[in-house]
Amino acid sequence: DAGVTQSPTHLIKTRGQQVTLRCSPKSGHDTVSWYQQALGQGPQFIFQYYEEEERQRGNFPDRFSGHQFPNYSSELNVNALLLGDSALYLCASSFGQTYGYTFGSGTRLTVV
Amino acid sequence: AQKVTQAQTEISVVEKEDVTLDCVYETRDTTYYLFWYKQPPSGELVFLIRRNSFDEQNEISGRYSWNFQKSTSSFNFTITASQVVDSAVYFCALSEANNAGNMLTFGGGTRLMVKP
Repeated sequence: DAGVTQSPTHLIKTRGQQVTLRCSPKSGHDTVSWYQQALGQGPQFIFQYYEEEERQRGNFPDRFSGHQFPNYSSELNVNALLLGDSALYLCASSFGQTYGYTFGSGTRLTVV
Repeated sequence: AQKVTQAQTEISVVEKEDVTLDCVYETRDTTYYLFWYKQPPSGELVFLIRRNSFDEQNEISGRYSWNFQKSTSSFNFTITASQVVDSAVYFCALSEANNAGNMLTFGGGTRLMVKP
């Protein structure tokens, strides 16, 4: 039973570019949350998707957007990349309103 | 607003020592949930425990134990007889029951190094 799968595992982008990160939830899960974890800090909530809609959003600018597909997989898009966007981006899946989160290993994004 | 503070950024112990990781939280809600996660070098967050605000019973799971005290807004985590495999970053997190997406607010983490 596969857990949460994130791709790519590592990514290097140039300032000003756009990036798309992908997440496949654990089998049986229908909700996907995204977190940003800067080096040496705790994860910060970006947003959560359920039934293909954004259910809750953290304190992140509109440059961060997302999408959830009918198969429950999700994408995180970041436009106009800044050096400060360099971080580990974690995806967590769960079922409905439960707290049974399963986290992926993340995508390490480096903006140069 | 909810906030979690882990004052210990890094702890180093020798194998078999007991170690306690501190967590202090702030919330205005009366119903909330507290969590501990372990983050090994591979990056994924591994769930350890969840407690709700109405259950102040301490919990023990093998070498792990948790002390929840609402009076001091603390939810501390103790590892007894630490092992090298316990080396990781540990995060305490809080979620208020009234937030639509079950958003987790994490502390800054405590890096635990267990030396042989």
